[in-house]
Amino acid sequence: DVKVTQSSRYLVKRTGEKVFLECVQDMDHENMFWYRQDPGLGLRLIYFSYDVKMKEKGDIPEGYSVSREKKERFSLILESASTNQTSMYLCASSSYLGHAAYEQYFGPGTRLTVT
Amino acid sequence: ELKVEQNPLFLSMQEGKNYTIYCNYSTTSDRLYWYRQDPGKSLESLFVLLSNGAVKQEGRLMASLDTKARLSTLHITAAVHDLSATYFCAVAPTDSWGKLQFGAGTQVVVTP
Repeated sequence: DVKVTQSSRYLVKRTGEKVFLECVQDMDHENMFWYRQDPGLGLRLIYFSYDVKMKEKGDIPEGYSVSREKKERFSLILESASTNQTSMYLCASSSYLGHAAYEQYFGPGTRLTVT
Repeated sequence: ELKVEQNPLFLSMQEGKNYTIYCNYSTTSDRLYWYRQDPGKSLESLFVLLSNGAVKQEGRLMASLDTKARLSTLHITAAVHDLSATYFCAVAPTDSWGKLQFGAGTQVVVTP
């Protein structure tokens, strides 16, 4: 069974704080992703990584950075948290199905509130 | 830019009746995914559709893909309360390294 874990289920931070969200997968997947989920907007990709130390911006990277020092771990960093970053953050890793297709497996999510 | 549109965004179902959720997308792709999310929980994979005409079924749910029409449907047969959840479709653009573009989700509530 693929397991994707996230460091916290709930987090409350103050405006201006530096926030670290960590994600670990145990299936040796190369690709990992960070999304944020907001009502009515679905999931939006923040960043993804296709290998250690490799990263690529998604659709909404502003205000975020990422780090991938080890294959199993992908961290999302909010350099200076703002109230508009209050959201549910979901991490995922993906396995290759063949024929240029992948399947994503999601962690339980971190609900971040910035006050 | 790939756009993925789901409709309806909210669906109130009566138990025992049949319903369909539609997922339209704006660019060529033959890889489409359906996920389910229960309140407060993460996303669970339901179906992976990898070719034109693909049809997958699991219990009361059936998903199909028409790549020429850029349309996928999720059909629910004889709805039951346990199917209350939010359903997302997601499309993988060509050469996307596994990136997915998600629809906004369809919130389904099944009542007696």
